[in-house]
Amino acid sequence: AQKVTQAQTEISVVEKEDVTLDCVYETRDTTYYLFWYKQPPSGELVFLIRRNSFDEQNEISGRYSWNFQKSTSSFNFTITASQVVDSAVYFCALSEQETSGSRLTFGEGTQLTVNP
Amino acid sequence: EPEVTQTPSHQVTQMGQEVILRCVPISNHLYFYWYRQILGQKVEFLVSFYNNEISEKSEIFDDQFSVERPDGSNFTLKIRSTKLEDSAMYFCASSASRRRTEAFFGQGTRLTVV
Repeated sequence: AQKVTQAQTEISVVEKEDVTLDCVYETRDTTYYLFWYKQPPSGELVFLIRRNSFDEQNEISGRYSWNFQKSTSSFNFTITASQVVDSAVYFCALSEQETSGSRLTFGEGTQLTVNP
Repeated sequence: EPEVTQTPSHQVTQMGQEVILRCVPISNHLYFYWYRQILGQKVEFLVSFYNNEISEKSEIFDDQFSVERPDGSNFTLKIRSTKLEDSAMYFCASSASRRRTEAFFGQGTRLTVV
């Protein structure tokens, strides 16, 4: 069965610091997808990125970057030069494409607080 | 930009009452989902729906829950006899296909059972 672990419950940083959110996953499938979603205080879930299991290239999008390492079953998310608006709960999620379609299994989430 | 729309944003209901949560998925999407998030906890899968039938459901999705796509646009979640522990944020989501698996979520309906 699939599982996603976000060991960091809460992280607090000062604006302009870099911060990395950890995500470790478990799956028996060889084909799967990994995701990050952002949940700001307003409550909605905002899609940030999808990665498939065959693509281990790291990705950068502005101040956001993602490090996918299959060898350690990790998909970590780094925010560079954090801003107050980055304050939110961030969820990592997994979809086992072969066995469960697009059902997402979420981690517990990491509450990021960026202080001015 | 297309988005998933949910109504109402907040629903308060008495224990034992039936509630229907409504969603309009993105128009060209084929897969539809309901998720639940109890306050302060993680997001949990309830059910997925494709081709007018349930394709998968979790252990949370028991007999008191049902889903329906009554017309070409709406996707509903019905809770027949609400319990206090049903209080949560309910998210509807849709995705384009099995391969395009990024699910886009609505803004959620906060259900409060009193």
